[in-house]
Amino acid sequence: AQSVTQPDIHITVSEGASLELRCNYSYGATPYLFWYVQSPGQGLQLLLKYFSGDTLVQGIKGFEAEFKRSQSSFNLRKPSVHWSDAAEYFCAVGERYGNKLVFGAGTILRVKS
Amino acid sequence: EAQVTQNPRYLITVTGKKLTVTCSQNMNHEYMSWYRQDPGLGLRQIYYSMNVEVTDKGDVPEGYKVSRKEKRNFPLILESPSPNQTSLYFCASRGLGAQYFGPGTRLTVL
Repeated sequence: AQSVTQPDIHITVSEGASLELRCNYSYGATPYLFWYVQSPGQGLQLLLKYFSGDTLVQGIKGFEAEFKRSQSSFNLRKPSVHWSDAAEYFCAVGERYGNKLVFGAGTILRVKS
Repeated sequence: EAQVTQNPRYLITVTGKKLTVTCSQNMNHEYMSWYRQDPGLGLRQIYYSMNVEVTDKGDVPEGYKVSRKEKRNFPLILESPSPNQTSLYFCASRGLGAQYFGPGTRLTVL
């Protein structure tokens, strides 16, 4: 069965510091991986997606993620966090041409000044 | 502007009173889904639709119905809401390999 684990429920980083949010997945076929961000009171915005090819993918807002098949991981990174990055981040796995996404429980990012 | 819209955005109702949450997309997408979001559980799929008149259950379909009579619309129906359906609901449509989400509907069932 498909599953996604985000081991960190909360993370606090200082503004300007680097960020890494962890995501591990379990999936029987070739995984298609996504990161979404949800700001307070808002819907989900797609940050980036990985289907194939280069394992380091670039997204919006300066985020990137690296797919590591051997570790079943798809960690999200940002070199320098801004206060506006405070939000909840969701990792998800799905089929490229399927309709189902399986989400992790989310990681809440707090940014301290 | 490409978007997924949901109405209402907020709803407080009582147990047993039928309600419908509407969802509409203007991107001509075939695939649409409904999710519910609960703290600590992430988003879980309720129902999905692959095209007009084609729907199927997701992971948590109990207590919900859907219909897909037109490509753009995918309403979620709670025929007899219960307090355990208090949640944040998201509609999504799929295009270019990723799902795009509506703004959410916060439902409270008393």
